[in-house]
Amino acid sequence: EDQVTQSPEALRLQEGESSSLNCSYTVSGLRGLFWYRQDPGKGPEFLFTLYSAGEEKEKERLKATLTKKESFLHITAPKPEDSATYLCAVRGGTSYGKLTFGQGTILTVHP
Amino acid sequence: EPEVTQTPSHQVTQMGQEVILRCVPISNHLYFYWYRQILGQKVEFLVSFYNNEISEKSEIFDDQFSVERPDGSNFTLKIRSTKLEDSAMYFCASGAGTGELFFGEGSRLTVL
Repeated sequence: EDQVTQSPEALRLQEGESSSLNCSYTVSGLRGLFWYRQDPGKGPEFLFTLYSAGEEKEKERLKATLTKKESFLHITAPKPEDSATYLCAVRGGTSYGKLTFGQGTILTVHP
Repeated sequence: EPEVTQTPSHQVTQMGQEVILRCVPISNHLYFYWYRQILGQKVEFLVSFYNNEISEKSEIFDDQFSVERPDGSNFTLKIRSTKLEDSAMYFCASGAGTGELFFGEGSRLTVL
């Protein structure tokens, strides 16, 4: 059974204070690791897909990296509008489309 | 930018009643999904749908649940006899087969 664990559960940063969120996973035959952003009461918003160890993707202040056991979402010089819950999900080798999500990291960026 | 749209945004129903949640996926997508999120918990997979049939479903998706693509644009989730534990946010998602899933804003279901 695919499993995803995210840490920390919550993270408070000052504006401009860079940090990283962690996603540890176990999956049979990784067919994709996904990062989503979720605002309160809204649906997950797609950010990145990573497929193989060593791969990196960047978008504005966010950079996602992948190893064989975990992924990191690095946030550089965050702004208050980056405050949200960040979700990590994996698709395993036997799945047609099922994503297994982690619990998420609630990020709060104070001005 | 194309988006997945869901209706209603919020539905309140009595236990035992039937509920239909509706979704309009992104127009050129071929893969459709329903997920749910109970308040404070993880987003959970319910079912995937491709080529007019269910391709995968979770243990949650029992005989009380069904999905349908009644026409070329809509994708529906029906819960035949709602239970208190069905209260959750239900998300529709669609994909083009490249791996990424795009989610709607959700339908909040409250069962009293």
